[in-house]
Amino acid sequence: NAGVTQTPKFRVLKTGQSMTLLCAQDMNHEYMYWYRQDPGMGLRLIHYSVGEGTTAKGEVPDGYNVSRLKKQNFLLGLESAAPSQTSVYFCASSYSNQYEQYFGPGTRLTVT
Amino acid sequence: AQTVTQSQPEMSVQEAETVTLSCTYDTSESDYYLFWYKQPPSRQMILVIRQEAYKQQNATENRFSVNFQKAAKSFSLKISDSQLGDAAMYFCAYRSSQGAQKLVFGQGTRLTINP
Repeated sequence: NAGVTQTPKFRVLKTGQSMTLLCAQDMNHEYMYWYRQDPGMGLRLIHYSVGEGTTAKGEVPDGYNVSRLKKQNFLLGLESAAPSQTSVYFCASSYSNQYEQYFGPGTRLTVT
Repeated sequence: AQTVTQSQPEMSVQEAETVTLSCTYDTSESDYYLFWYKQPPSRQMILVIRQEAYKQQNATENRFSVNFQKAAKSFSLKISDSQLGDAAMYFCAYRSSQGAQKLVFGQGTRLTINP
């Protein structure tokens, strides 16, 4: 049981490049979330999903897209990376809206 | 929208002493959950303690306890017998009991333990 895993752990992008961050959970959780963490701030919600095939916008969705084609995976895409997207990205999942969120180890992304 | 405020960017405590981290929040809801998460240098977010708003009794987990004041919208974390392994960023978080129950985080408090 690996819990929540994130791929990759580190990445450096040039402005305008695209990439996809993968979040995978093996706990059969329905809910999945993507957050970003910037210095001096707590985590802020980017997008979330309440089940396979569903996604919704969070607090800071601009510049990101997501997909939940399989229940265990939640992908976060950056179509055209900008320096303002330099951050640490966390994925989380929970069984339902009554249970705790479990976090992945984070991905540190730098956009130059 | 709900907001969470942690007014102490940094705190320090001597090993074996007690320290209290502050958190206030703003909400118009009556039913919700509050959490304290710990983030050590490894970056992993670790749940320390949770409190249901409908419960009057303060939650405790070993050396960690909270002081939940619903009317004042205050949710402080007390760490007793501080240990070197307690050094980390601590985040207070709010979660509604409705909808997708997204977490709203405070800015964090960096806790240093002095040996």
